[in-house]
Amino acid sequence: VQLQESGPGLVKSSETLSLTCAVSRYSISSGFYWGWIRQFPGKGLEWIGNIYHSGNTHYNPSLKNRVTISVDTSKNQFSLNLKSVTAADTAVYYCARVEMNTAYFDFWGQGALVTVSS
Amino acid sequence: QSVLTQPPSASGTPGQRVTISCSGSSSNIGSNPVNWYQQLPGTAPKLLIFSNTQRPSGVPGRFSGSKSGSSASLAISGLQSEDESDYYCAAWDDSLSGPVFGGGTKLTVL
Repeated sequence: VQLQESGPGLVKSSETLSLTCAVSRYSISSGFYWGWIRQFPGKGLEWIGNIYHSGNTHYNPSLKNRVTISVDTSKNQFSLNLKSVTAADTAVYYCARVEMNTAYFDFWGQGALVTVSS
Repeated sequence: QSVLTQPPSASGTPGQRVTISCSGSSSNIGSNPVNWYQQLPGTAPKLLIFSNTQRPSGVPGRFSGSKSGSSASLAISGLQSEDESDYYCAAWDDSLSGPVFGGGTKLTVL
């Protein structure tokens, strides 16, 4: 299983951060949830949310009002949109495969650094 | 501020055994399995231990995990220079309805 994040590395404050995770060597529709995690410059990790191939989503309550995760099974990829970003959203964003209702992330992308500028 | 508490740093000499602790609460570690991740510099976290004590295929037997109540530990025996890395614990949190992480422990091999 391989995952690869892509998207702009620089986003202006108050705009929307958009990233896509392309999955290869495994069909998203075969099972598992697919998640986004971010790592702040101070190294702390924060779960953003998960999505199932059916479109069922679970979000971190602290981000729920700003985040949308979607899936495109035809392209075998899923996406993250985080709106109204601030400097506090500057982080490395990872996508990963995750088992439902667990902290079991078994395959990760290499990560995408997103910097929010004023 | 992370939900799970880890010491920020740990160290040991080659061949030594070191342990890293992870403290949580009844809503996370106390009621759900703990996973550990190793993050080498410049890379993504890698699953090291799952379900408290299980090692994925390819992880050396030098790495072991344990859990008691609302706390967990990662032990590394026969410490090697390539074990110098950041280590994170994680568990599902029933209150959050999502996974939570520790703040990470930077292991230095002296």
